Amino acid sequence: QSVLTQPPSASGTPGQRVIISCFGGSSNIGTNTVSWYQQLPGTAPKLLIYSNTQRPSGVPDRFSGSKSGTSASLAISGLQSEDEADYYCAVWDDTLNGLFGGGTKLTVL
Amino acid sequence: QLQLQESGSGLVKPSQTLSLNCVVSGGSISSGGYSWSWIRQPPGKGLEWIGYVYHAGGAYYNPSLKSRVTISVDRSNNQLSLKLNSVTAADSAVYYCAKVVDFGDNWYIDLWGRGTQVAVSS
Repeated sequence: QSVLTQPPSASGTPGQRVIISCFGGSSNIGTNTVSWYQQLPGTAPKLLIYSNTQRPSGVPDRFSGSKSGTSASLAISGLQSEDEADYYCAVWDDTLNGLFGGGTKLTVL
Repeated sequence: QLQLQESGSGLVKPSQTLSLNCVVSGGSISSGGYSWSWIRQPPGKGLEWIGYVYHAGGAYYNPSLKSRVTISVDRSNNQLSLKLNSVTAADSAVYYCAKVVDFGDNWYIDLWGRGTQVAVSS
């Protein structure tokens, strides 16, 4: 069981806005910045959001991140069929350990 | 631009040592203050951080794997390596090498290899 807690699944219809949460603690999300990764079926993960809110070049602005206290969220607006993937949050823990959330499988209905 | 390519034995016997390499192309493994990591993903499961070597030369490991794992940088061959001792079936996974950005309170992976599948079986 992961120290970072994500819902195992989420879903939405095309055009909708979906939010995926990531809950941690004071030694990880409470202290350090959060990153998010998208993993399409059969491929390696890809960086989606870093430093809580920043998007790498090439990531559509439909994806946004936020953090408050010991939790973080990934929002996807204008949902598209190609957004169907697994999403993971990650953060460095001050106990000197890298952490990933358990992952959220997003289904576009 | 930088690219990462993992390689190694796809099949390892229980109790033996898993050894993987990751060649860095398009740049030097030593430049830019880069840090490097290994992450794995068991079949049908989520991502698990194994450890990383940071630009200053030290290494941090997942506490659950620390007694069995070594990550090192081979600067002469521009590659990252992973050794995991005393493997069991639970170590079967896709293994990814990755480039880590770590400064201040920021720690994230901005580049992933394509991954290499490892099965532990007799």
